This record gives sequence, C-alpha cells and structure tokens, in this order.
Amino acid sequence: NAGVTQTPKFQVLKTGQSMTLQCAQDMNHNSMYWYRQDPGMGLRLIYYSASEGTTDKGEVPNGYNVSRLNKREFSLRLESAAPSQTSVYFCASRSGQYTGELFFGEGSRLTVL
Amino acid sequence: GENVEQHPSTLSVQEGDSAVIKCTYSDSASNYFPWYKQELGKGPQLIIDIRSNVGEKKDQRIAVTLNKTAKHFSLHITETQPEDSAVYFCAASSHYFAGGGADGLTFGKGTHLIIQP
Repeated sequence: NAGVTQTPKFQVLKTGQSMTLQCAQDMNHNSMYWYRQDPGMGLRLIYYSASEGTTDKGEVPNGYNVSRLNKREFSLRLESAAPSQTSVYFCASRSGQYTGELFFGEGSRLTVL
Repeated sequence: GENVEQHPSTLSVQEGDSAVIKCTYSDSASNYFPWYKQELGKGPQLIIDIRSNVGEKKDQRIAVTLNKTAKHFSLHITETQPEDSAVYFCAASSHYFAGGGADGLTFGKGTHLIIQP
C-alpha cells in the first residue's frame, strides 16, 4: 500500500525554468493538497482540490498552477521558477473535506538557483 | 483567516520526563485540532486529534487538551522515549484563508522536540 507518492524527490532548477511536481494517491481520497515547508514557517497551503475537477487557492498560491488530472493525481507546476520557491513540497490527501486525517507524501526538495 | 501560534520552537527534555507543547488559535469557529509528528526526511503523520466538543483525549502516552474559551490546546507526552524526538505540528481547521480560499488546515510553525538520553 503506497499511500501518497511524490516525484521527483529532489530537483535543482535555474531561475526561470519550469517544472511539474507529480503526486498520486491510492486511497480513493476525494481531497488533495499541496503544501510547502520552509524553516521556521511550518506548512503553508499552496492549492487544494476538494474533489475531482475542482481546484482552489490556498494561502500562498502565487507562482504556482495545479491540475487535478483524475481522482488519483494532483500535479503542481512552477511556470517560471524563482529562488523564493526553494522549499520542500508536500502533497497530501484525505477522504473528506475540513476534518479527518491528512496523509502526506515524503516530500520533494526543490532548489532554485 | 485562522492564525495558529505554537510554543516553544525547541524543547529539550530528559528521557522519561514529560513534554508539553502549546498552541493558540484565533478563529473561534475552528472545530478540529490535529497534531502531526514529522521525523527527519519524512512527511508529517497524524498522532492524535481532538474536536471542539471534547475537552481531553488520550492515546497511551499522548494526550491533547482543548480550552475553547481561551482558544488554546496542548499536546502532552509522558514517559518520553528516544523515538519521540521529532518535529511536532499543531493545526486548526480553517474554512477561510486570507486569499479567500476555503478548506485545509492552518498549521503552527512546529516544535523540535529533543529527548536527551
């Protein structure tokens, strides 16, 4: 049982390059989330998808786009990477909305030079 | 939107002693308060949660207390062990963010718990 799988685990980009972080869950969850984690800042929500076909902005959406490809997959895209986007990114999912356990992936460490 | 403050940022205790981590929240409408543990190199994992209709919840060595009037909740770990060393995050349900979006959790900034042998 894989849970939440993120790829890639590590990535180095140059300023202005683009990339997509992939996330897939095998728990048949409706809601999926992308968080970023920075030292001393905790976890901040970038975008979420309450169900297949819907996406909404979280606390820090600027510079990112998302796609809920199907019920299993939720991708995060950086169109023109900036050094401020250097962070660890976590994908998460849960069955319901608002409450219930969030299941996290192991994270993707992104460095933008 | 919701704002969650967590203290302390670092906590060092002797093995076998108790550890307490405290959080306050701002939105009186928040009604769900989970605690997550993050080990080095891993994603956070839920260890315990409490809803606003309950004042205390225990699970073996871990307990959480909630004071709705004061808008604060705490994590208590008794008889600490080396495997308790990790970063702990509190969170509160929040239906609205500053940007206007709904859903998700607002997390505190984390507490690095160090268990000294």
